[in-house]
Amino acid sequence: EILLTQSPATLSVSPGERATLSCRASQSVSGNLAWYQQKPGQAPRLLIYGSSTRATGIPARFSGRGSETEFTLTISSLQSEDSAIYFCQQYEYWARFTFGPGTKVEIK
Amino acid sequence: EVQVEQSGAELKKPGATVKISCKLSGYTFTDFYIHWVQQAPGGGLEYMGLIDPKDGETKYAVKFQGRVTITADTSTDTVSMQLNSLTSADTALYFCGKAAVGGNWIQTWGQGTLVIVSS
Repeated sequence: EILLTQSPATLSVSPGERATLSCRASQSVSGNLAWYQQKPGQAPRLLIYGSSTRATGIPARFSGRGSETEFTLTISSLQSEDSAIYFCQQYEYWARFTFGPGTKVEIK
Repeated sequence: EVQVEQSGAELKKPGATVKISCKLSGYTFTDFYIHWVQQAPGGGLEYMGLIDPKDGETKYAVKFQGRVTITADTSTDTVSMQLNSLTSADTALYFCGKAAVGGNWIQTWGQGTLVIVSS
């Protein structure tokens, strides 16, 4: 099973500042990585797929990059509504998909 | 507009079986895989498996293999997930989600179904 680790576990950022979240895979997943945002009491929402492609309707302040085992999600200018938990997911191996444990983003 | 509507919360006793449904609309039902994901209280996301509604082919995560069954009904555009031999560890939110065009990320999620397992 491919393990995904995310860091940091919690990130506290002031409004308008940049937030950088990391996702590391235990083996290469090529570019088959997605990012989701989950707010309390809600289902996850797709942000990024294919490592760097924003999903429909996702603001441009969200960007993703990376390949193989190292990936980052950047929120360029944090807004109050970005307070949430962010999960990465690899979908490289057919139906052996896994999620990272999540990074909680707090507004300072 | 794609919509994913899940059935309501369930309270089950240990050893019982739960079946959750996921009604899809707004697109051609047989064109996209449907995924299932478990989320324990305050916890992360655990992938359970998927179904291809076109032919009913399923793939299950190792953790749930033998205990989970995912089915699709093309007459009602509904996917169901059945989990057997429930224990307290199965107390969780269960999400279904529609896959995307060209890939197996989850494009659209259901609202989640809470399953509580308690004696």
